[in-house]
Amino acid sequence: GAGVSQSPSNKVTEKGKDVELRCDPISGHTALYWYRQSLGQGLEFLIYFQGNSAPDKSGLPSDRFSAERTGGSVSTLTIQRTQQEDSAVYLCASSGQSNQPQHFGDGTRLSIL
Amino acid sequence: DAKTTQPPSMDCAEGRAANLPCNHSTISGNEYVYWYRQIHSQGPQYIIHGLKNNETNEMASLIITEDRKSSTLILPHATLRDTAVYYCIGMNTGFQKLVFGTGTRLLVSP
Repeated sequence: GAGVSQSPSNKVTEKGKDVELRCDPISGHTALYWYRQSLGQGLEFLIYFQGNSAPDKSGLPSDRFSAERTGGSVSTLTIQRTQQEDSAVYLCASSGQSNQPQHFGDGTRLSIL
Repeated sequence: DAKTTQPPSMDCAEGRAANLPCNHSTISGNEYVYWYRQIHSQGPQYIIHGLKNNETNEMASLIITEDRKSSTLILPHATLRDTAVYYCIGMNTGFQKLVFGTGTRLLVSP
């Protein structure tokens, strides 16, 4: 399909391990967002990429979290030394321009044992 | 972003129109009204947005009152797959961190 694709859809890992979550935005979309959503909670903004500009990292909860976007397309969110409180659904969204609606993937459900 | 108020839940019979209200009395002149929904275990889905005029797309219609203090999302022929939580958001264009309120949980029944 032509939507935002995220992988893996589910990830279970042990506390202390590193994880990488991948997002393939809609082709041609220049803006890319990462959010997370804990069970029954709202969206928590993590990071925003727009074209070649420096990303807005203001939502990253700790220095264990990082993200990159290579070639202006695919993005990877990395969580180092995972903790149980990192368990959540990690959602990626993209938009054609920053003034256009955000379109979401179905997320990666991360469970830390 | 404007504060929005939505009923916590609504029911609708399959095939009927679902009319979901939203109050946004503090919305500013350059803030759009956006609607998203989230079906269980899926990511949020953009539905429609508008500024002043009524809008229609393949999913829904958006009716905004003349004073812009409230709006109604209309799903003309609700199906079981429209069961979801619907979120109304007042937001400027440009980079925005989406923030969802509690939304309206719509249950479409046979």
